[in-house]
Amino acid sequence: AQKVTQAQTEISVVEKEDVTLDCVYETRDTTYYLFWYKQPPSGELVFLIRRNSFDEQNEISGRYSWNFQKSTSSFNFTITASQVVDSAVYFCALSDPSGGYNKLIFGAGTRLAVHP
Amino acid sequence: EAQVTQNPRYLITVTGKKLTVTCSQNMNHEYMSWYRQDPGLGLRQIYYSMNVEVTDKGDVPEGYKVSRKEKRNFPLILESPSPNQTSLYFCASSRRDGLTDTQYFGPGTRLTVL
Repeated sequence: AQKVTQAQTEISVVEKEDVTLDCVYETRDTTYYLFWYKQPPSGELVFLIRRNSFDEQNEISGRYSWNFQKSTSSFNFTITASQVVDSAVYFCALSDPSGGYNKLIFGAGTRLAVHP
Repeated sequence: EAQVTQNPRYLITVTGKKLTVTCSQNMNHEYMSWYRQDPGLGLRQIYYSMNVEVTDKGDVPEGYKVSRKEKRNFPLILESPSPNQTSLYFCASSRRDGLTDTQYFGPGTRLTVL
């Protein structure tokens, strides 16, 4: 069965620190997709990235970067020089074909608090 | 503006009083689904729909119903709400082209059942 583990429940950092959010997944599929979503205090879910299992290149988008390692089934997310606006709950998610190909299995989330 | 809308955003109700949470998308997406978010559990899929008149159960369907009579709308119905359905609910939509496309989520509906 598909499973996503975000072992870090809460992380607290001071502004300008770098922070890495861990995501470990389990799947028997050879083709799958991984996602990260951000949930700020206002509650909505903001899409950050979608990565397919055949593309192991790391991705960088501004202060955000993602490290996909198939060998360890991990898809970690790093925020460089964190800012107060990065304070949010971050969810890692894995595709599950049982729900018509577009079902997502979410981790429990990591709450990030960035203090000034 | 491309978006998924949900109504109401907040709802407090009592046990047993039927309610409907509406969801609408303007992106012509085939796939729509409902998730609930609970502390420590992340989001879990309740029901999904691959197209008009095609719906199926997700991981936690008990106590919920859905319908898909039009492509843009996917309402969530709680026939007899109970306190364990107190949760944050999200509607999502995406294209459906055989691959897992990006899910776009509505703003959420916070439901409290007393």
